[in-house]
Amino acid sequence: GENVEQHPSTLSVQEGDSAVIKCTYSDSASNYFPWYKQELGKRPQLIIDIRSNVGEKKDQRIAVTLNKTAKHFSLHITETQPEDSAVYFCAASNTGTASKLTFGTGTRLQVTL
Amino acid sequence: NAGVTQTPKFQVLKTGQSMTLQCAQDMNHNSMYWYRQDPGMGLRLIYYSASEGTTDKGEVPNGYNVSRLNKREFSLRLESAAPSQTSVYFCASSGWGVETQYFGPGTRLLVL
Repeated sequence: GENVEQHPSTLSVQEGDSAVIKCTYSDSASNYFPWYKQELGKRPQLIIDIRSNVGEKKDQRIAVTLNKTAKHFSLHITETQPEDSAVYFCAASNTGTASKLTFGTGTRLQVTL
Repeated sequence: NAGVTQTPKFQVLKTGQSMTLQCAQDMNHNSMYWYRQDPGMGLRLIYYSASEGTTDKGEVPNGYNVSRLNKREFSLRLESAAPSQTSVYFCASSGWGVETQYFGPGTRLLVL
């Protein structure tokens, strides 16, 4: 089955700096790669996703890049703010009638003032 | 429009007791999922239901059973709880041909 590795496990940046989280996946058939943000005690919420026919996608301060050949994808957050502090999860799936997501182990991002 | 709801929010069980976690969605989604979340291990898929009337095992199904009661509801049952099942359980749903999964608020389960 699919295996997703995520690094780093913790990341501390100063407000205004950029943050990058990286994930690798093992199944070359995977074609959908979402990123979820989970605040303390809350549910995971989708912040951005990318499909295998696209190399990069941007949404304001957040961007995701995908390298299918190397089987890795990354989340980039620019101009970080304290409210960006949370745990971020990457995931991968081979979509069909049901999207079975395999998650990475998470990155705890702390944005300091 | 409540999205995905779960009950209970918190539960304490003794080893060997049974319980059912309830999940419902009002988004007319075809697919529903149960995950468990443990520290340092991300979310792991327990069972899923691609559509009403079907269920399949995920990554960690041992010790659990599920029922897709109807299109809206998907329940997770622990027949004989064990301390290793102490975790936070999330239900999620997604629409037909749409990959985005929407999560419920979670159930925190403690097995003593």
